[in-house]
Amino acid sequence: KAGVTQTPRYLIKTRGQQVTLSCSPISGHRSVSWYQQTPGQGLQFLFEYFSETQRNKGNFPGRFSGRQFSNSRSEMNVSTLELGDSALYLCASSLGGLGSNQPQHFGDGTRLSIL
Amino acid sequence: SQKIEQNSEALNIQEGKTATLTCNYTNYSPAYLQWYRQDPGRGPVFLLLIRENEKEKRKERLKVTFDTTLKQSLFHITASQPADSATYLCALENNAGNMLTFGGGTRLMVKP
Repeated sequence: KAGVTQTPRYLIKTRGQQVTLSCSPISGHRSVSWYQQTPGQGLQFLFEYFSETQRNKGNFPGRFSGRQFSNSRSEMNVSTLELGDSALYLCASSLGGLGSNQPQHFGDGTRLSIL
Repeated sequence: SQKIEQNSEALNIQEGKTATLTCNYTNYSPAYLQWYRQDPGRGPVFLLLIRENEKEKRKERLKVTFDTTLKQSLFHITASQPADSATYLCALENNAGNMLTFGGGTRLMVKP
């Protein structure tokens, strides 16, 4: 079974631009969650999508948004990029999602650098 | 406020010894706790999940304990190998079950 795939692996943007990251979950998984990982803050939950609906949301500003398609693939968008948005963005999929007692399966992330 | 704490200092041990990593939490009432392994430049990989009514869980050389009274989980790797060198993260869902929060991770270095 193919794992979680994230594209692109690396991205360089400048302040004020916007960016879209993509995630293909494991086949059959309906939940996709997004996380931001930085050396200072560690792994932080952004949001979870389940069956095309945002089901849960972390404590990030509205510049961070996402969506999920009918095939469970998900995209995350960050608008008006700031230097502090430089991070590794990780996507994880699971069968039942948060609250279902099931593990998260992570991709290898997109490394976003803001100049 | 809710907190998950792992020893932020690296743990250095000799090959063949048992590594023990700690995860402490406050203001959580978790139904279960998860452990993940993360290698540099890669996403976390799920290792073990332990439920609140389970005291201990094992998988090959790995063992996890979960003490809801002490609010602590211990993660053991027996007969450690250099290939076990990585950062290990514990994770809990918040009480509402709508957010997964990770500890800061402990970096394990196993020396040959």
